[in-house]
Amino acid sequence: QAQLVESGGGVVQPGGSLRLSCAASRFTFSGYGMHWVRQAPGKGLEWVAFIRYDGSNKYYADSVKGRFTITRDNSKNTLYLQMSSLRAEDTAVYYCAKDALVLVPAAEWGQGTLVTVSS
Amino acid sequence: QTVVTQEASLTVSPGGTVTLTCASSTGAVTSGHYPNWFQQKPGQAPSALTYSTSSRHSWTPARFSGSLLGGKAVLTLSDVQPEDEAEYYCLLYYGGPWVFGGGTKVTVL
Repeated sequence: QAQLVESGGGVVQPGGSLRLSCAASRFTFSGYGMHWVRQAPGKGLEWVAFIRYDGSNKYYADSVKGRFTITRDNSKNTLYLQMSSLRAEDTAVYYCAKDALVLVPAAEWGQGTLVTVSS
Repeated sequence: QTVVTQEASLTVSPGGTVTLTCASSTGAVTSGHYPNWFQQKPGQAPSALTYSTSSRHSWTPARFSGSLLGGKAVLTLSDVQPEDEAEYYCLLYYGGPWVFGGGTKVTVL
């Protein structure tokens, strides 16, 4: 069973930046696509971004395109989400999730990290 | 902007059957959307239930089944148990990006 541990959340002012990390273990990280998914307080799930196992392809939700960047370091078994130009509506718990296979998304999840955008 | 629509809430009796649907604003949901279903209980991270329309993960009970019907993705819960009370989300593939539905709150009463 995969272990995914998110970190880097906190309080940031509107317009600010933050980098989230997701430390992966108990599986071969370099072999799997990875997602970021967020959930605003009391709201539903929102898919944020995906990165292919080798980092060669990345996709983003329209709501974050141009502001967020997903990357990975397979040598460190770590997934990242660089967030900039943050807005109040970006306030959410951010989860990282691992594919089971190609086009079998988010089979296993971390416990999430809370990002609060507020002045 | 693509919108994926689910019922807001459904109620089912223990031992009963309930059907959840997932529709796309772009047209009929097909196998090419690789429909997925997830369960989320309060205070917990989501848990994957089914993928590629009708395949179950190894940990998913057989009472959860996915299908396509009438241009929508469908999740059927049979012999519903009290522990099935949760929020359920579908997830559809759009050739690169994925989009979640708004979620269905299933109450077992």
